[in-house]
Amino acid sequence: DGGITQSPKYLFRKEGQNVTLSCEQNLNHDAMYWYRQDPGQGLRLIYYSQIVNDFQKGDIAEGYSVSREKKESFPLTVTSAQKNPTAFYLCASSIERGNSPLHFGNGTRLTVT
Amino acid sequence: GENVEQHPSTLSVQEGDSAVIKCTYSDSASNYFPWYKQELGKGPQLIIDIRSNVGEKKDQRIAVTLNKTAKHFSLHITETQPEDSAVYFCAARGSSASKIIFGSGTRLSIRP
Repeated sequence: DGGITQSPKYLFRKEGQNVTLSCEQNLNHDAMYWYRQDPGQGLRLIYYSQIVNDFQKGDIAEGYSVSREKKESFPLTVTSAQKNPTAFYLCASSIERGNSPLHFGNGTRLTVT
Repeated sequence: GENVEQHPSTLSVQEGDSAVIKCTYSDSASNYFPWYKQELGKGPQLIIDIRSNVGEKKDQRIAVTLNKTAKHFSLHITETQPEDSAVYFCAARGSSASKIIFGSGTRLSIRP
């Protein structure tokens, strides 16, 4: 089955620690995205990548970093500089940028205490 | 900046009745409008989308309408069933080809 796998489903960290969320896709999609979801809010774009070795900041990139060394993988690091890291993080991919539907993973819920 | 507003934030309807969720967008250059359904603990799934050269699209019990002049688009679900209970998000592709902007979501509950 093709799809997007995010791991782990739940992640707990102490304040001040960096943490990396995994996202892998076997859909052969070029574009990949990271969104943050907070209760009662829509999805806000953190970073996106249209091609390997290239990525752009979204609307709320501060305190986050990404890499795109392989087409299948787009890990997100939540750094200690992110002031409110506790959230539900969603990874998505699409065939091409923008005008094709996003395929989402099932998310990682990060709790930082 | 680019913005998508969605109403209502919560909606409760009797099973079998219709549900309507409305969105407005700010970027007149937007030309792609997907709708997503998110069940508890899962990622959103595309349920229907519409492009700006079309005014209406239907897929079984789900339909979407688009009014480009007013910058409105709506999701209509007819003959609602318990499995329709979920959070629904509208979205619009903004001026930047790579950005899809989401509304804040509507929590739909179907009463038996």
